[in-house]
Amino acid sequence: GEDVEQSLFLSVREGDSSVINCTYTDSSSTYLYWYKQEPGAGLQLLTYIFSNMDMKQDQRLTVLLNKKDKHLSLRIADTQTGDSAIYFCAEISTDSWGKLQFGAGTQVVVTP
Amino acid sequence: DTGVSQDPRHKITKRGQNVTFRCDPISEHNRLYWYRQTLGQGPEFLTYFQNEAQLEKSRLLSDRFSAERPKGSFSTLEIQRTEQGDSAMYLCASSWDFEQFFGPGTRLTVL
Repeated sequence: GEDVEQSLFLSVREGDSSVINCTYTDSSSTYLYWYKQEPGAGLQLLTYIFSNMDMKQDQRLTVLLNKKDKHLSLRIADTQTGDSAIYFCAEISTDSWGKLQFGAGTQVVVTP
Repeated sequence: DTGVSQDPRHKITKRGQNVTFRCDPISEHNRLYWYRQTLGQGPEFLTYFQNEAQLEKSRLLSDRFSAERPKGSFSTLEIQRTEQGDSAMYLCASSWDFEQFFGPGTRLTVL
């Protein structure tokens, strides 16, 4: 079955860049997403990338996709304390257009 | 704010009771999704609707769970005979295409 894996924790200093990594197994993945969740809140869609792209940049966010290795990363430039949250990688495949498959999330802690 | 809304935000119930949650999607969105999230995990898909049609259900959705979207607008998720294992955050999302936007969730605690 489908599987999405992420490292559980990342600590970064304010002002540095953060890189959050994700691997997935479903070769029919079409869209891959990054969501942010703050304590007690729902999920905020940060960005997504279509599987025929290898990079997407949106302000401080850069998404890199290595489809051969099924590896997705999210880089946050100039990380701020407000970036402290849990970040989820997710994918949708052509087998099931309605179903987002999520990883377990990476907790990012930004220290001053 | 015209985002996805969910009601109630918190629900505490005793084991064996029935509970119902409501989700109001973004108004022009034709697809509506339910997910469940337990502590330390990512959301798990439960079911989704396109307009009023329920197109897919997860194996997680046991016979005690039922979801409806009668007029293709708001949706309800009912859990009958709640069990302690049902304690979780229940998230609703809606979309027009491939971008799913989530509501704040309903946190269910079963005592």
